[in-house]
Amino acid sequence: AQSVTQLDSQVPVFEEAPVELRCNYSSSVSVYLFWYVQYPNQGLQLLLKYLSGSTLVKGINGFEAEFNKSQTSFHLRKPSVHISDTAEYFCAVSDPGGSQGNLIFGKGTKLSVKP
Amino acid sequence: EAQVTQNPRYLITVTGKKLTVTCSQNMNHEYMSWYRQDPGLGLRQIYYSMNVEVTDKGDVPEGYKVSRKEKRNFPLILESPSPNQTSLYFCASSSSLEGTDTQYFGPGTRLTVL
Repeated sequence: AQSVTQLDSQVPVFEEAPVELRCNYSSSVSVYLFWYVQYPNQGLQLLLKYLSGSTLVKGINGFEAEFNKSQTSFHLRKPSVHISDTAEYFCAVSDPGGSQGNLIFGKGTKLSVKP
Repeated sequence: EAQVTQNPRYLITVTGKKLTVTCSQNMNHEYMSWYRQDPGLGLRQIYYSMNVEVTDKGDVPEGYKVSRKEKRNFPLILESPSPNQTSLYFCASSSSLEGTDTQYFGPGTRLTVL
């Protein structure tokens, strides 16, 4: 069974500093990988996704993630964060061969950007 | 505007009183699903539907029912709610054209069962 581990439940960082949110997955098959962001009191919004091709994926709001198959990781990065990036971030994985498109989510990482 | 809507957004009810949370999407998506979000557990899939009249269980289906009579609607039914169903619920939809894995989420329904 697939699983997703987000290694940090909370990440505090100062404004304009770089940030990396870590995500590891376990799967014996090829997977699709996603990062979603949830702003306070809102639903989830797709940040970026990796389906195939280039291992470096660029998303919205200046975020990017790198797929590393050998390390089964899909870490999310941003070179300079803003206060408005304060949110909870979820990594998710799915099996492209599966029929239901079920996303398996990690437990989330709360990013807190301080002035 | 392309969107997934849920109603109600907030609901407080008592144990055993049947309730329905509605979900509607205007993107002509074939695939719809329900998730619940609990602190420290992330999101877990309850039920999903590949198309009209086609539904199946997700990871945590106990205590829930769904129906898909129309393509745009996918209501979540709690026949006899219990306190352990207090949670934040999200509906999501996706298209086979874009890939069913790329899901669009509604704003959420916060349910409290007393």
